[in-house]
Order: sequence, then structure tokens, then C-alpha cells
Amino acid sequence: DVKVTQSSRYLVKRTGEKVFLECVQDMDHENMFWYRQDPGLGLRLIYFSYDVKMKEKGDIPEGYSVSREKKERFSLILESASTNQTSMYLCASVRGRSYNEQFFGPGTRLTVL
Amino acid sequence: AQSVAQPEDQVNVAEGNPLTVKCTYSVSGNPYLFWYVQYPNRGLQFLLKYITGDNLVKGSYGFEAEFNKSQTSFHLKKPSALVSDSALYFCAVRPPDSNYQLIWGAGTKLIIKP
Repeated sequence: DVKVTQSSRYLVKRTGEKVFLECVQDMDHENMFWYRQDPGLGLRLIYFSYDVKMKEKGDIPEGYSVSREKKERFSLILESASTNQTSMYLCASVRGRSYNEQFFGPGTRLTVL
Repeated sequence: AQSVAQPEDQVNVAEGNPLTVKCTYSVSGNPYLFWYVQYPNRGLQFLLKYITGDNLVKGSYGFEAEFNKSQTSFHLKKPSALVSDSALYFCAVRPPDSNYQLIWGAGTKLIIKP
């Protein structure tokens, strides 16, 4: 089975802090994604990466950056956390073609005070 | 603008009754269609997908979904609900001109009462 792990389940940070969220997948998937999930808004794509060192902006990239130095690892960085970035963050990966299903990590619930 | 609508925020069903969770989409061309489920305190899990072929697709946990091109709908169904089906359900659509990006519905909370 594919396993996608995220570095923290719960995280509390202060406004202005730099925040790192890490995601690791163990099935050699080319494509990885970072979403945020907010009630009533579904999932919104922040960034995705289709290969090492490659990235594309999603629908809401402002205030975020990403890093993919190794195929299995995709990091989301909040350069200066703000209260409106309090949310559930989900990482996903998928192999190959775009009709394949995405596999999700358990999520990180981030609270910015 | 392309969009996915899940018109019901919450659906309540008695255990043993059939259930339907609705999804409609506004996407040009022939999209790929997906259903995912999120159980409490767990990540999203894939349930089923429609790519092409038979309009009725079967998935995990006894769920099925029917693709209706004329109505641009992809409703999720199950003949007999279980209490353990209570969860948050998301419909997602991949437009034909997209690479891997999905358009997600807002989610429907399904509550199955004993």
C-alpha cells in the first residue's frame, strides 16, 4: 500500500514565524500536491510538483513556497505565518497519468496565533 | 468558470436505507470524475472514479456512482447505508485540458443514524 506521511498532525505557531510542513511518500510517485482544506470550501490546491525541483502554482500560492529536492519528499513553507493560514493542510501523491487516484497523508492541522 | 457543486452540505439517512450524495459539474469536454471520503481524524481516501465506458462505476465499501453526461452529474450511491459510512464525501473533477489539477466540490457530510 502507498503510504503518505506528514511531519506533524497538529502544529501551533505564532504570527510571523516561518513554518515548515513536510510530506514523504514511499511509492516512487512522480507527482505530489499540497492542499489546504477549509470547511465549506473543499480542497484548494496550493502547489504541485511533477518532478524533482519542478513545481507549479495552484489556485492559492500566495504566502507559501515549496521545495522538492528528492522525489519522495515535498515540503510546504510558510515564510511568515499569518492567522488566515490557520487550516488543515493535506499532502497527496499520484503515479503517472492524471486519471490515477491521488493518495493522501493524514493532514496537519495548523493553528497560527 | 469551471466548477463542481455538491448541493447538500449534509445528508441524513437511516441505517439500512439507500443513500445518495449528489455532485454536478460545469466543465467542458469529457472530464475524469472522482469520489473521495474522509473519515473523522483521517486523511482522504479514494472511493471510485469514472474515466470512460460504463456509466455505472463500482468502488470501495459497496459504493457506486452513476455518470450522467446530459445532466453533467456524478451522484454517489449505496443501496443500504451503514453507521460506519458516516463521513465527509468529496466529489472531484479533472478537466480534459488540465494536467493533474482537480476541481473539488465543497464536501457533503453524510450522517447515518442507527
